[in-house]
Amino acid sequence: DVKVTQSSRYLVKRTGEKVFLECVQDMDHENMFWYRQDPGLGLRLIYFSYDVKMKEKGDIPEGYSVSREKKERFSLILESASTNQTSMYLCASTPPAQGIRQPQHFGDGTRLSIL
Amino acid sequence: AQKITQTQPGMFVQEKEAVTLDCTYDTSDQSYGLFWYKQPSSGEMIFLIYQGSYDEQNATEGRYSLNFQKARKSANLVISASQLGDSAMYFCAMREGPDTGFQKLVFGTGTRLLVSP
Repeated sequence: DVKVTQSSRYLVKRTGEKVFLECVQDMDHENMFWYRQDPGLGLRLIYFSYDVKMKEKGDIPEGYSVSREKKERFSLILESASTNQTSMYLCASTPPAQGIRQPQHFGDGTRLSIL
Repeated sequence: AQKITQTQPGMFVQEKEAVTLDCTYDTSDQSYGLFWYKQPSSGEMIFLIYQGSYDEQNATEGRYSLNFQKARKSANLVISASQLGDSAMYFCAMREGPDTGFQKLVFGTGTRLLVSP
């Protein structure tokens, strides 16, 4: 069965800290995504990656960076956390195009609070 | 302009009744795909159903069906015989571009469904 694992369900950090959110998938998927979810705004794409060491900006990349050193792992980095980055963060993955009718598979999410 | 519009922030339905969750979309592509996801209070996103723009039949998956009206650019989710476990947030999402392309999704703002006994 498909499995996307996010390292923490809940995380509390302080303003100015460097924060790492980790995501691991066990399906050998090429494509991985990071979203943030806020009430009334739905899911918004932060960054995505279609291969190791490749990354592309999504719709709201400001204040974030990502790292993909291995195929199964995609990390989201908040370089200097701010209170407006308090949110739910969701990681997802998909196989390459031949699985196009397949959905994105999501992790359980990380609820991040920045104090 | 929003590409996916879900106009119902909240919906209520009684157990065993059917409910329709609305989704309209905006795209100039001829080839695209539409997804519906369910998000319970626990937070995980659960895939429910998919409709491709060239699919001739409306998609169905068990109690879920998609009322796809291409000319109106709407892809409403119909849940038949609602159950208490259907209480959740529901998101409509669209993938633009051909089926062979990279799969990047745009999500709507969601509809919270509450099923009462």
